[in-house]
Amino acid sequence: GQQVMQIPQYQHVQEGEDFTTYCNSSTTLSNIQWYKQRPGGHPVFLIQLVKSGEVKKQKRLTFQFGEAKKNSSLHITATQTTDVGTYFCAAHRSNDYKLSFGAGTTVTVRA
Amino acid sequence: NAGVTQTPKFQVLKTGQSMTLQCAQDMNHEYMSWYRQDPGMGLRLIHYSVGAGITDQGEVPNGYNVSRSTTEDFPLRLLSAAPSQTSVYFCASSYSRAGVWETQYFGPGTRLLVL
Repeated sequence: GQQVMQIPQYQHVQEGEDFTTYCNSSTTLSNIQWYKQRPGGHPVFLIQLVKSGEVKKQKRLTFQFGEAKKNSSLHITATQTTDVGTYFCAAHRSNDYKLSFGAGTTVTVRA
Repeated sequence: NAGVTQTPKFQVLKTGQSMTLQCAQDMNHEYMSWYRQDPGMGLRLIHYSVGAGITDQGEVPNGYNVSRSTTEDFPLRLLSAAPSQTSVYFCASSYSRAGVWETQYFGPGTRLLVL
């Protein structure tokens, strides 16, 4: 089964509003990676978090890794139409190359 | 660099047919993986390789074979296609640095329909 659970599955956002997608695991994770997949495209790497409590920002995107390294979040402020797509979290367990993906959050934006 | 390339882009098979999905990378990455993507399921790992000559099973390996004779190539073979294998297949490559797994680079995908 999937190592990481991601919610919500769908997010319908008014342009200009904020939203957050969450990724949770029952086990301690080695890292968290976030990817974005545009409709019809392939996943593209956004960022990796490795340290407990780590927070990283990319313009309007804020990524957090929980203190216990069991959860993560992606917060997008002032959503734009360019944010449309599916956002995946993915994680390695310690000392394991295999990368487990969450089911993804598919984002649509109302202009 | 071309990055990760996959062929074909689209394929229609009849049940029972076999075929090979090709994947190549020119970044000298040690790690390569095959995923399948189905609606609502995210990406599920089929097989992966940590180097030439080394392969291992992922989450959903049944019905698929892989080999890694060179660092660059990682083909995925469907032995006897079934409708349940209708999916989008992504190949990815990556590397590690100082004990930290780095980003996965994905190919453009192969869309497979099994009738």
